[in-house]
Amino acid sequence: DSGVTQTPKHLITATGQRVTLRCSPRSGDLSVYWYQQSLDQGLQFLIQYYNGEERAKGNILERFSAQQFPDLHSELNLSSLELGDSALYFCASSVSSGMQYFGPGTRLTVL
Amino acid sequence: ELKVEQNPLFLSMQEGKNYTIYCNYSTTSDRLYWYRQDPGKSLESLFVLLSNGAVKQEGRLMASLDTKARLSTLHITAAVHDLSATYFCAGDSNRDDKIIFGKGTRLHILP
Repeated sequence: DSGVTQTPKHLITATGQRVTLRCSPRSGDLSVYWYQQSLDQGLQFLIQYYNGEERAKGNILERFSAQQFPDLHSELNLSSLELGDSALYFCASSVSSGMQYFGPGTRLTVL
Repeated sequence: ELKVEQNPLFLSMQEGKNYTIYCNYSTTSDRLYWYRQDPGKSLESLFVLLSNGAVKQEGRLMASLDTKARLSTLHITAAVHDLSATYFCAGDSNRDDKIIFGKGTRLHILP
């Protein structure tokens, strides 16, 4: 158990809908990262937050947004969902930019 | 833009043998990461390599970084079946802190 929690574990929704994925980092970790893993695209870095501020941005679509709250948990919002957004979404946390600890992931299925 | 190439992409080896996975990257990178992923599971961080000549070891796995050659290696010593997994390397772009992943090396160790 990495100490990083993600909810929900599975999510099934329809095209055009909006969903929110939630991540709670390990106690004491200030950085949160979001990743997407799909068969087509492999592992992609989406975004990193550090202590509430955006630190680095990857290939995150404009339809996606994220934030980190004062209690350091983070949410990833995915809107106007398309079939191609079906993937595993992982979050990870770290103290700053070192070793990352991954949550179990959220499997998103868009029908 | 940083590009990360791993090879081989698939490796089948006998228990007890040694082998190396290679990770080449295209531009300077602040950090080089190695991860392990078991089928259907999340990622586990193995190593973070920060500087030229860095070498880290954990059990039968040893990772090294040569920033001049833009090459990191993950060496497996006397492989055991439990090491069967997919291994990813990733680089952290100096320019914009984006994390870029290789395609992964699927390692299958035959008993």
